[in-house]
Amino acid sequence: DAGVIQSPRHEVTEMGQEVTLRCKPISGHDYLFWYRQTMMRGLELLIYFNNNVPIDDSGMPEDRFSAKMPNASFSTLKIQPSEPRDSAVYFCASSWRGETQYFGPGTRLLVL
Amino acid sequence: AQKVTQAQTEISVVEKEDVTLDCVYETRDTTYYLFWYKQPPSGELVFLIRRNSFDEQNEISGRYSWNFQKSTSSFNFTITASQVVDSAVYFCALTANFGNEKLTFGTGTRLTIIP
Repeated sequence: DAGVIQSPRHEVTEMGQEVTLRCKPISGHDYLFWYRQTMMRGLELLIYFNNNVPIDDSGMPEDRFSAKMPNASFSTLKIQPSEPRDSAVYFCASSWRGETQYFGPGTRLLVL
Repeated sequence: AQKVTQAQTEISVVEKEDVTLDCVYETRDTTYYLFWYKQPPSGELVFLIRRNSFDEQNEISGRYSWNFQKSTSSFNFTITASQVVDSAVYFCALTANFGNEKLTFGTGTRLTIIP
């Protein structure tokens, strides 16, 4: 079975540009999570969905960040406009019934 | 509030030595789940194990073993006969009973195996 798929794996952009990160969860999983990892703050939960509905977005840093899950097999995390402090590795994870979370390979974002 | 403490920031051992990674947790929930994840240099997060608070049996999987002790709120991870491929950052994590899906992660322990 395919694991969680994320794209792109690497993204380099300039400050002010829009960035869209994509995630395909494991088939059959009903929970999807977006995390951010930085050296300073470690792993932070940004938002999570259950059955495509956002449940908790309290970790989203500010209005520049938005996430959607239009269907059970696809989610996006968008940053507009991007800033250098958004540089991080962004992970998507999915789980079934809220049990063990399986992580994607991550998207390494660099905002210049 | 939940908290996971991994006091060992970095550990280095020579190959074939045994090494134990410590994890201490805090939670008010009576039902909870503990996890270990591995993050190798390639960057992905790999699930290793999940234990629930009802089951204090130690678990062994090949060279890996886990010691769960509720009395000391600890869930320690031991690698026996370490290998270079074990070099990674290891994270301990906690969540309350499923239905409260947020994972609380520790800050991680960077393990370096010296050939």
